[in-house]
Amino acid sequence: GENVEQHPSTLSVQEGDSAVIKCTYSDSASNYFPWYKQELGKRPQLIIDIRSNVGEKKDQRIAVTLNKTAKHFSLHITETQPEDSAVYFCAASTGGTSYGKLTFGQGTILTVHP
Amino acid sequence: NAGVTQTPKFRVLKTGQSMTLLCAQDMNHEYMYWYRQDPGMGLRLIHYSVGEGTTAKGEVPDGYNVSRLKKQNFLLGLESAAPSQTSVYFCASSYRPPGQRTYEQYFGPGTRLTVT
Repeated sequence: GENVEQHPSTLSVQEGDSAVIKCTYSDSASNYFPWYKQELGKRPQLIIDIRSNVGEKKDQRIAVTLNKTAKHFSLHITETQPEDSAVYFCAASTGGTSYGKLTFGQGTILTVHP
Repeated sequence: NAGVTQTPKFRVLKTGQSMTLLCAQDMNHEYMYWYRQDPGMGLRLIHYSVGEGTTAKGEVPDGYNVSRLKKQNFLLGLESAAPSQTSVYFCASSYRPPGQRTYEQYFGPGTRLTVT
C-alpha cells in the first residue's frame, strides 16, 4: 500500500520567514495530494491540494509543488504569521480507484514566533 | 448546512465496556471514513464506506465495527474497549468536484476517547 513520509516533524520560524514542509510517497499511481492544517483541539482543515496533472499551485501565501518523477511534494508558506502555528499534514490518494482514501504523513508541528 | 458532525465530543470508558460513535453529514456525500489520531502517527484509517449498506476495512480495523444503514450516518462501534483504543477519533466524508477524478475529504470535529 501507499506510504507517506513527512519532514520535518517540528519546524520553528520567525514571523515573516518562509516555511517549507516536504513529503514523499511510494505509490506511483497516487494522483491527489492534499494538505491539512490542524489547530490544537480542532479538526484537520483542507488548506490546499494538488492533482498530478499540475506541478505547482498557489493560494495567497501558501503554495504546493509536486515532482511526480521523484515522488515528492512540498508545502510552502511565505510571510509566516503567528496564526500559521499548527500541525500540518500531507496526504496522498489514488483517487477514484481507492474510493478517495487518504494516506497521511506523520505531521509537522509549525511554530511561528512573533 | 452543518457539514460533518460527531457525537459525543468526549467519552471515558472502562476496559471491556462498549460504545458507539455517531458521525452524520448533510452534504449528500457518498463516501465516509473513520480515522484515529495518535501522537506522532498522523491519522490512520479504521474503516470506510462507499455507500449506504457497504463498509470495508482500512489500515487499523481490529477491535472496531462499523455500520452505514443510512447514507448520511456512519457509526463506529467498540465492542470491548481496551486502553490501546484511547485516541481521538475523526469521521470524514468526501465528494468528487465536477470534472475531477479525485475526491476532497472533509472532517468532523472529533471525539476524544479515553479507556481506563
